[in-house]
Amino acid sequence: DSGVTQTPKHLITATGQRVTLRCSPRSGDLSVYWYQQSLDQGLQFLIQYYNGEERAKGNILERFSAQQFPDLHSELNLSSLELGDSALYFCASSDNGHDNQPQHFGDGTRLSIL
Amino acid sequence: LAKTTQPISMDSYEGQEVNITCSHNNIATNDYITWYQQFPSQGPRFIIQGYKTKVTNEVASLFIPADRKSSTLSLPRVSLSDTAVYYCLVGDIRDNYGQNFVFGPGTRLSVLP
Repeated sequence: DSGVTQTPKHLITATGQRVTLRCSPRSGDLSVYWYQQSLDQGLQFLIQYYNGEERAKGNILERFSAQQFPDLHSELNLSSLELGDSALYFCASSDNGHDNQPQHFGDGTRLSIL
Repeated sequence: LAKTTQPISMDSYEGQEVNITCSHNNIATNDYITWYQQFPSQGPRFIIQGYKTKVTNEVASLFIPADRKSSTLSLPRVSLSDTAVYYCLVGDIRDNYGQNFVFGPGTRLSVLP
């Protein structure tokens, strides 16, 4: 158990809809990362937050957004969903957000777009 | 940002030592090398991290030559439960806005009985 909690575990929705994925980091960790993993793309870094502030941005679409709240949990919002957004979405956390710090991953949210 | 190259797949037998090499020719001075293990439908799990020479923990060793352009993850006496995808990740310790965390395609290790 990594200590990172993601909800929901599974999500099924239709094209054009909007969903919110939630992540609770390990106790004491200040940094949260979001990744997308699809069969043909591997693990793609989306965005990182540190103590409520955006720290780094990767291949995140404009239809996607994220935030980190004062209690350090984070949400990833996906809107105008397309079939290609079907994937596993992972959240990870680390203590101080420096790139050399090991990241601890949750078990992901599996998003299926019908 | 350093890009990594690993073998796509490897096969081994139970009880053997497995060495997976990652190439990172453009590694920067401040970059650390981190390895993760991922089982199907689970998040990646941290295995080991190093900067230079050799690092060993209870599950693996990491060998990094002097030029740091490659690294080798060594798994001693693998078992069937070590069948997984292994990722090499190279990152910068600097507080550098916009730094990406680039996972390569990973190495799919299959351990056979």
